[in-house]
Formats: sequence, structure tokens, C-alpha cells
Amino acid sequence: GAVVSQHPSRVICKSGTSVKIECRSLDFQATTMFWYRQFPKQSLMLMATSNEGSKATYEQGVEKDKFLINHASLTLSTLTVTSAHPEDSSFYICSGEDRRNYGYTFGSGTRLTVV
Amino acid sequence: DQQVKQNSPSLSVQEGRISILNCDYTNSMFDYFLWYKKYPAEGPTFLISISSIKDKNEDGRFTVFLNKSAKHLSLHIVPSQPGDSAVYFCAASGGDSNYQLIWGAGTKLIIKP
Repeated sequence: GAVVSQHPSRVICKSGTSVKIECRSLDFQATTMFWYRQFPKQSLMLMATSNEGSKATYEQGVEKDKFLINHASLTLSTLTVTSAHPEDSSFYICSGEDRRNYGYTFGSGTRLTVV
Repeated sequence: DQQVKQNSPSLSVQEGRISILNCDYTNSMFDYFLWYKKYPAEGPTFLISISSIKDKNEDGRFTVFLNKSAKHLSLHIVPSQPGDSAVYFCAASGGDSNYQLIWGAGTKLIIKP
């Protein structure tokens, strides 16, 4: 089946630094990649939608200059959290749209801790 | 306004019995519904889906029922196994958000031995 590889699975960084999270679709072309954030005891919150070769569409309230998304190819999308603050600590998940199966294949998630 | 609601934050079921997870939606334009399972610190994994042209879809121990008139869907797991303990999210798509998923808040399922 379709697989999205997400790295790193866990990262701890210092406040003020930047962290890059990668998502690669291994056996399908993810024309669209969704980036989610999950807060404890809450559902997944969609942060942005990125289409290959174009600028990402951010949800209301999500700072596009802080959460940089790049989707340069059909198999790779990255999310960079710039100038990270402790309140950015969360669980980030990507999802690639697999149009063959009309499904959304999720990455395994990245737990970011900003200290 | 929550368009997809899972009103039970948690559910406890005896191993071997049936688990029934419920989901309600408000947008009549939704035409595709999905259930995902999520373990702690992992991304959700797709379980089963149903199109609005059907009222039932079955895959092994998992069956999803859709009642369009009531705008209600449910996931049945039978028999329940310890490995089924996880958080289950229902999601919907269609209408204005054709490819974007609208998520419920999730229900934590606990299977008791």
C-alpha cells in the first residue's frame, strides 16, 4: 500500500532555532500534501495544504512565515518551523493524497519539543 | 461550528464483545466518510471508508454503517481485541471541501481483557 515516510519522528530543539520536517511519498505521487498539528486531547488541526509546484494554502490563524511549507516535487514536502517557541511544541503529521485509492496516507508523525 | 461530531470522548468494551463508535455530521454535502485509528505518538492510519451511495461497508472485523437521513455513521468492531485500543477519528469530505477532510474530535476506545 501507499506509504508516507515522515522524519524525524522526534526532535528537541532550542527556542529560536528552526526545525525541518520531511514527508516523502514512497510509492505514489502525492499531488497534494496536508500538514496537521495535534494538540493533546484534541483532534487533528489542518495547518496548510500544499500542491506540488505551487504555494501552500494556509488555514486561518496559521502563520505562513513561521510554518514554511515546500512541495517541490510529487514525492517530497517539507514543513519548517522557524524561530521555534515552546508553544510550538506539538505533534505534526503530514498526509499525502493518494488519488488512486481516494485515500489519505498519513506519515507517522513528528513530536516536536521546543525547550 | 463542528461539522463532524464524535460525542463520546471514550468508550470501554470487554474483549470479544462488539465496539460501536458513533459519528454525526451536519453538512448534507458530505459524500465520503472515513474512519482512522490512531495510536499515541503515531500518525492516524486509515481503517475503512464509505461513500454516500452506500449504507454499509464491511472489511473483516470492521463495518461502517451510514444513515444519511439521520446524518449519522457508526463503526462496528467485532469481536473487539486488545490491539483495537486506540483513538478513532471519523472524517468526512465533499461539498466545498472536496479533498479536504473534516475531522471529528476522536473517541478513545479501551478494550478490557
